[in-house]
Amino acid sequence: QKEVEQNSGPLSVPEGAIASLNCTYSDRGSQSFFWYRQYSGKSPELIMFIYSNGDKEDGRFTAQLNKASQYVSLLIRDSQPSDSATYLCAVNRNFNKFYFGSGTKLNVKP
Amino acid sequence: SAVISQKPSRDICQRGTSLTIQCQVDSQVTMMFWYRQQPGQSLTLIATANQGSEATYESGFVIDKFPISRPNLTFSTLTVSNMSPEDSSIYLCSVEEGDRSGYTFGSGTRLTVV
Repeated sequence: QKEVEQNSGPLSVPEGAIASLNCTYSDRGSQSFFWYRQYSGKSPELIMFIYSNGDKEDGRFTAQLNKASQYVSLLIRDSQPSDSATYLCAVNRNFNKFYFGSGTKLNVKP
Repeated sequence: SAVISQKPSRDICQRGTSLTIQCQVDSQVTMMFWYRQQPGQSLTLIATANQGSEATYESGFVIDKFPISRPNLTFSTLTVSNMSPEDSSIYLCSVEEGDRSGYTFGSGTRLTVV
């Protein structure tokens, strides 16, 4: 079983819609959770991090964490074509030990 | 957030040769991390580089193949030795933000071995 699982996609949504990206992790001891965006040919850039159960909002982005279900999601409201990228979920299990999912490719259609 | 300069940005190398990748950070950091991202894949941690001590390698990666230097708190190098086409990948260095808010990545080195 992989440490972090994501649907590879592609996930296609129309411009202005809500994009929902999901991630599950295997280790209940995981402590912190991160979402990265990676444009083709570029390095990952951090979008959000979340440590506690519940929702965390930052602009158009909302991260949701449910530790009981070992599930973390990222919602992108009012999706724009510029949001089209691969989104990587990362889980910090032990101190400074990151595990990345394989990423979900998002296509936002104009 | 930290600013990381990584070079070279890309290179095409002959098999059997070695390439050294450099990462310079604009602030002092305790640990630097080296990742590999193979085509269409996610990131895999190669090793963690601490200043003043030997790097810690992840399973499947060895020092002879990927020697790492960490001479000070702002700089590190990763060498890919005796390269084969299977080493063709993107190599990224990374540092943790001081407030534990995540990791920042360098711009990456796209390596092609022919």
